[in-house]
Amino acid sequence: KAGVTQTPRYLIKTRGQQVTLSCSPISGHRSVSWYQQTPGQGLQFLFEYFSETQRNKGNFPGRFSGRQFSNSRSEMNVSTLELGDSALYLCASSLDSGTGAKNIQYFGAGTRLSVL
Amino acid sequence: KNQVEQSPQSLIILEGKNCTLQCNYTVSPFSNLRWYKQDTGRGPVSLTIMTFSENTKSNGRYTATLDADTKQSSLHITASQLSDSASYICVVTAGNTGKLIFGQGTTLQVKP
Repeated sequence: KAGVTQTPRYLIKTRGQQVTLSCSPISGHRSVSWYQQTPGQGLQFLFEYFSETQRNKGNFPGRFSGRQFSNSRSEMNVSTLELGDSALYLCASSLDSGTGAKNIQYFGAGTRLSVL
Repeated sequence: KNQVEQSPQSLIILEGKNCTLQCNYTVSPFSNLRWYKQDTGRGPVSLTIMTFSENTKSNGRYTATLDADTKQSSLHITASQLSDSASYICVVTAGNTGKLIFGQGTTLQVKP
């Protein structure tokens, strides 16, 4: 069974541009969550999508948005990029929504975004 | 304020030795606690998940303990291997909101 696939692996953008990251979950998983990871802040939750609906949202500005398609694939978009958006963006998929103990999340390898 | 503190921040041990990583939290109410292993350049991989009623859970050479009264957890690695070199992240789920609170992680380096 294929794991969680994130594309692209690496991305370089300049300030003010926008970027779209893609995540293909494990087959059969309906929940996709996005996280930002930086050396200073560690892992931070961005949002979760389940059956094409945003279920939960972290404390990020509206420049960060996402969507989920009917095949459970998800995209994350960041508009008007800032230097501080440089980070590893991780996607995780799970069978169900939420953070209950039985709902294990499986992470992709991430997209490393550098904003110059 | 809900917080998760991990210690030490980094650790170097020799191959074959045991080590213990600590996680203290102030999250209340508590739902569950997870330990993840993250290799360099990879996403985190779940090692253990424990609920309030569980005080020990093992996954191979990894054993996690939980003391919900003192709000402490530890991850014990037995007979370390070079492949154990990674960051270990403790994550606590808040019981009322389902929100995940992440620790900053402990970076473990195992030397031959």
